[in-house]
Amino acid sequence: DQQVKQNSPSLSVQEGRISILNCDYTNSMFDYFLWYKKYPAEGPTFLISISSIKDKNEDGRFTVFLNKSAKHLSLHIVPSQPGDSAVYFCAAGPGFGNEKLTFGTGTRLTIIP
Amino acid sequence: DGGITQSPKYLFRKEGQNVTLSCEQNLNHDAMYWYRQDPGQGLRLIYYSQIVNDFQKGDIAEGYSVSREKKESFPLTVTSAQKNPTAFYLCASSWSANEKLFFGSGTQLSVL
Repeated sequence: DQQVKQNSPSLSVQEGRISILNCDYTNSMFDYFLWYKKYPAEGPTFLISISSIKDKNEDGRFTVFLNKSAKHLSLHIVPSQPGDSAVYFCAAGPGFGNEKLTFGTGTRLTIIP
Repeated sequence: DGGITQSPKYLFRKEGQNVTLSCEQNLNHDAMYWYRQDPGQGLRLIYYSQIVNDFQKGDIAEGYSVSREKKESFPLTVTSAQKNPTAFYLCASSWSANEKLFFGSGTQLSVL
């Protein structure tokens, strides 16, 4: 049972345009959400997080939106840059505690120059 | 440079053999974790340790063992009881269980 789903295995976006990566979850107990980014031959690195008390969190070019009623999370990257080409994982958990996180399968983002 | 080092990058296991994956961190983090990634699946937690000399089973601990004798080291042994060991293994650490994870670059384990 995949409680965190990233239904798009891959996404291609022109440089300078907006990239939108989506994540859906099924567990209504999840209230803490994160995005990690992974380059080839490297481990994932933390990108941005949001808790359920907010519906938006921004960090520079990256914004995460949370729609609790739809159990949907999205990551917006504006403007997209070639260095953003990577695999993006979303993760969710019932409160804080890394041992409780459930990870999605990842979306490979390719930025086209 | 501070970080997490996993070795080796590639490892092959023969049937019935135990193998140990190394994970070392110099970030002074208290918590360490082992994850497994299979094609088409998200990361799944094998074991975690929030403090030296203590560790807990994750979601898929069967066939694996760990030790945490030193703060900086958290080796994972894949035993012969793990019938499907071929996967990509990631080690991670964090200041505490509530802080963001820092990952190593992973070890690909394959069965000969």
